[in-house]
Amino acid sequence: LAKTTQPISMDSYEGQEVNITCSHNNIATNDYITWYQQFPSQGPRFIIQGYKTKVTNEVASLFIPADRKSSTLSLPRVSLSDTAVYYCLGNTGGFKTIFGAGTRLFVKA
Amino acid sequence: EAQVTQNPRYLITVTGKKLTVTCSQNMNHEYMSWYRQDPGLGLRQIYYSMNVEVTDKGDVPEGYKVSRKEKRNFPLILESPSPNQTSLYFCASSPSDSQETQYFGPGTRLLVL
Repeated sequence: LAKTTQPISMDSYEGQEVNITCSHNNIATNDYITWYQQFPSQGPRFIIQGYKTKVTNEVASLFIPADRKSSTLSLPRVSLSDTAVYYCLGNTGGFKTIFGAGTRLFVKA
Repeated sequence: EAQVTQNPRYLITVTGKKLTVTCSQNMNHEYMSWYRQDPGLGLRQIYYSMNVEVTDKGDVPEGYKVSRKEKRNFPLILESPSPNQTSLYFCASSPSDSQETQYFGPGTRLLVL
């Protein structure tokens, strides 16, 4: 199961693009990369998942380079409501889950 | 509405008084899991269950018990709570395993005096 490392916090302004990078040096061949978002006093919410290259949905994009030792979550044109904690996870398809401390994103007006 | 529910949402108790936090999901998910969240530590997995009668330890199982007698329910039991178990607890479920999207409950805030 991949252990992940993320920046503790990031600041941004409304309308900017935010990129949060996650390091997962020991990621296994079968690991997917999954990102969750958590607002205060709420449970985490799934944002996006990928295995390699680029994945995009209505909320975010996920970039995973060829060596898969890192991934970058990209949030286009953030708003105040994107202020939250973002977690990246390495999933093997097994049952144990390690969330880590996450990245606290603060969006300012 | 598809959801994961937890009860109670808030609980204040005293050291040593047994308590149970219930978790129920209506999505027919096989996989369920309990996490605790403490400031600066993110979410840490306590126990998880792959299906009825199949459970296993997560990273921080000490002081907790679980059972999975029915597919929809996954209660968390604290036989003798201690102050270091004061935390925010989340239950989650997913269709098969943790590779799938996990759906989280609203959380239970526990204070052990």
